[in-house]
Amino acid sequence: QSALTQPASVSGSPGQSITISCTGTSSDIGSYNLVSWYLQHPGKAPKLLIYEGSKRPSGVSNRFSGSKSDNTASLTISGLQAEDEADYYCCSYAGSTWVFGGGTKLTVL
Amino acid sequence: EVQLVESGGGLVQPGGSLRLSCAASGFTFSKYAMTWVRQAPGKGLEWVSSISAIGTITDYADSVKGRFTISRGNSKNMLYLQMSSLRAEDTAVYYCAKDLGEGRYWGQGTLVTVSS
Repeated sequence: QSALTQPASVSGSPGQSITISCTGTSSDIGSYNLVSWYLQHPGKAPKLLIYEGSKRPSGVSNRFSGSKSDNTASLTISGLQAEDEADYYCCSYAGSTWVFGGGTKLTVL
Repeated sequence: EVQLVESGGGLVQPGGSLRLSCAASGFTFSKYAMTWVRQAPGKGLEWVSSISAIGTITDYADSVKGRFTISRGNSKNMLYLQMSSLRAEDTAVYYCAKDLGEGRYWGQGTLVTVSS
């Protein structure tokens, strides 16, 4: 049950696009299309951004998009806004268990 | 409106026990798997345990296996986490979540502090 690998931090200027990677293995991301992405502000519960790799729940901005290739999932945020500054987590099903990434702190410069 | 409300957190001594509860409303509870996720202070999210819709299948993270027990009461729309042999490293905010495969609904969390 090893954690998925995410960069510890990323940054970008308002209006730019950034991508956060999430690397797993053939036992989790590589085997299942059950990758989700969450945003979390300090002291708050995680908020779902993307599920099943690329699906966006209603109410989530289309500035957020998800993709997957082999054992790596990615979250792209376009048109960065100050309110996007938060921690981001990926999560994958791993066959009877679930595994999260270590989290990525996004700083909007 | 889907609501998940955790309770039961608090301060407990190392080696002690605690039972967390999660009250669910706004959906047909008995149709969905449920999950506990925790977050230690200043750390990332960690999957703890999941239970199938009718409670027949349970899974645990290696870090809690043999010490924690997940259960549910579908007639009461309640999810539980019985925690025993608690350690300092179990200190965290514990969240319950509906159907982690979709992952849209989480509670606000309950804080468990293991300290003497």
